[in-house]
Parts: sequence; structure tokens; C-alpha cells
Amino acid sequence: KQEVTQIPAALSVPEGENLVLNCSFTDSAIYNLQWFRQDPGKGLTSLLLIQSSQREQTSGRLNASLDKSSGRSTLYIAASQPGDSATYLCAYTQGGSEKLVFGKGTKLTVNP
Amino acid sequence: GAGVSQSPSNKVTEKGKDVELRCDPISGHTALYWYRQSLGQGLEFLIYFQGNSAPDKSGLPSDRFSAERTGGSVSTLTIQRTQQEDSAVYLCASSLVGRVNYGYTFGSGTRLTVV
Repeated sequence: KQEVTQIPAALSVPEGENLVLNCSFTDSAIYNLQWFRQDPGKGLTSLLLIQSSQREQTSGRLNASLDKSSGRSTLYIAASQPGDSATYLCAYTQGGSEKLVFGKGTKLTVNP
Repeated sequence: GAGVSQSPSNKVTEKGKDVELRCDPISGHTALYWYRQSLGQGLEFLIYFQGNSAPDKSGLPSDRFSAERTGGSVSTLTIQRTQQEDSAVYLCASSLVGRVNYGYTFGSGTRLTVV
């Protein structure tokens, strides 16, 4: 069974803190892994996409890593801001499939 | 359009009624996807279109669910004889060719409540 686990389910931090969100998956044959952000009442915004052959991707204050052998990905957010408050979702695709398999997300609150 | 448009944004329906949810993808995006997000659950894949064809409809939960796409553009997800467990946010996404590496754009979703 394809499963994605995101820990913690919720996280509250003070502004300016660096933080790490975790994602683990049971499927070793992933094609790529993607991190999304979801704001209340909104759709998903793609943040970072990591191909299975890559180890990490960076965009601004965000860095995502992928370790296929251990079935883990992390999203690092530097110098967090209140505007970073949202639910962060990780999802992967398998080779030969178009569908994304999602975790349940981590709800992040950054307090001013 | 500039983004993926879904309508209605909210729908309340009585148990047993049929509902239609609409997705208008980004112009030129050949791939279209439907997902469902239930309370406390992760996003669940429903169906994938490439053009007007649906090569993967493995996520449709029952034969009460169907979807079609016409003109390689607008898609409609139909739920017949709605049940309370169908209550969820239904999200549509499109991409240029298919495959996540080309990037998904998601709509804001339709929140369906079955009473």
C-alpha cells in the first residue's frame, strides 16, 4: 500500500525560527516528490519538485531534500515569517503513473 | 484563463440528489486531474485525463462517480445519488503535458456538503 506520513501534524513556532518538516514514504519506486503549500480555502501551490535522481532543490528560503533509500524527504524553511503559515503537503508519483500520492500535511503556524 | 477555475466554489445538496462539478483548466494544458480532500484525510486521486481520454480512472470510489472532458478543455465530475460520505473538497489540477515534472496548477476547489 502506498503511504505518505508527515510529522508533525501541526507545528507552531515564533517568527524568525528555522524549521524542518518531515515526510516519509513506503514506496521505493518513486519517480519524483513534490512539496505543496495549501492556504485555507485555497488550492495547492507547488513549492519544490525533486526528481528521483536528485538529492535536493532550493527556492529562496526553502530547501527540500530527498533520500530514496531511507524513504524520506524534508522541507527546510529558513527564517520563518507569519506569511509562511499554511498547511504543507508532500506527494510523490511512481514511474508509469500520473497520480500524486499525498500525505495528510503539516499545519504550520508562525507567530509574530 | 490565468488559472484553473472551478465552479461552484460551494455546493450544499440533499442526500440522493445528483451534482455536477466543473473544472476549467489553463488554456493549452492537455492533462487534467481530479482529487478529493475529505476532512482529516489526505488528498485522494480520482481520475486523470489526457486530452479527452481518461487513461487512469482507478481512484473513482464507486460507479456513482463519473467524469468527462470535452474539447480537451472543460471537465465535469458528476456524482449521482449523493451520500453523506461524499462530502469533501473536490480539487482539479491541470498540467501542460502530464507528469508532475511539468508542474501542476490546482484550482481552489469545490466544497461539497451532502445533508
